[in-house]
Amino acid sequence: AQTVTQSQPEMSVQEAETVTLSCTYDTSESDYYLFWYKQPPSRQMILVIRQEAYKQQNATENRFSVNFQKAAKSFSLKISDSQLGDAAMYFCAYRSFYSGSARQLTFGSGTQLTVLP
Amino acid sequence: NAGVTQTPKFQVLKTGQSMTLQCAQDMNHNSMYWYRQDPGMGLRLIYYSASEGTTDKGEVPNGYNVSRLNKREFSLRLESAAPSQTSVYFCASSELGLSYNEQFFGPGTRLTVL
Repeated sequence: AQTVTQSQPEMSVQEAETVTLSCTYDTSESDYYLFWYKQPPSRQMILVIRQEAYKQQNATENRFSVNFQKAAKSFSLKISDSQLGDAAMYFCAYRSFYSGSARQLTFGSGTQLTVLP
Repeated sequence: NAGVTQTPKFQVLKTGQSMTLQCAQDMNHNSMYWYRQDPGMGLRLIYYSASEGTTDKGEVPNGYNVSRLNKREFSLRLESAAPSQTSVYFCASSELGLSYNEQFFGPGTRLTVL
């Protein structure tokens, strides 16, 4: 079974600065997908960014980018030019490429990000 | 286009009571999921339905039952609620065929069992 570990329960960043959230995972599979979800106080889960394991290029979505290190099984999220609206719980998630009809996500325990004005 | 909706948003039950959490999606997705979120933990899968007419157990199915009523609706039932089922429950849906299979989540139901 796959596991996802987020070792930083809480992080803080000054507005306009850059912050990196860490995520490691354990899998024996070679093909899979990785995701970062954001959960603001409203509780709504919002997809921030995704990465296909077979792609070497790191994914980027505006101010959000990832550092995907497949050999190290590491998938960190970098938020540039942090904004107050980025304050939320961030979850790293894994999905097997070969999960058949299941396609369920395996989540880490989350990192609570505080943005300081 | 409401996406994924869940009712109720909040619920308080007494131990032993039963209730059904409702979920509906208007995106014509084939797959639907129920997760629970406990403090200090990520979401864990309770049950899922890969397509209309099928349901399967996830990681933590004990104490729950599900019904895929039609393509739009997927309900989660607690037959005899226990304090250990106090949690936030999320429903999600996704479309088969998309390689990355993004899941869209509802706003959650906060359930407290006394």
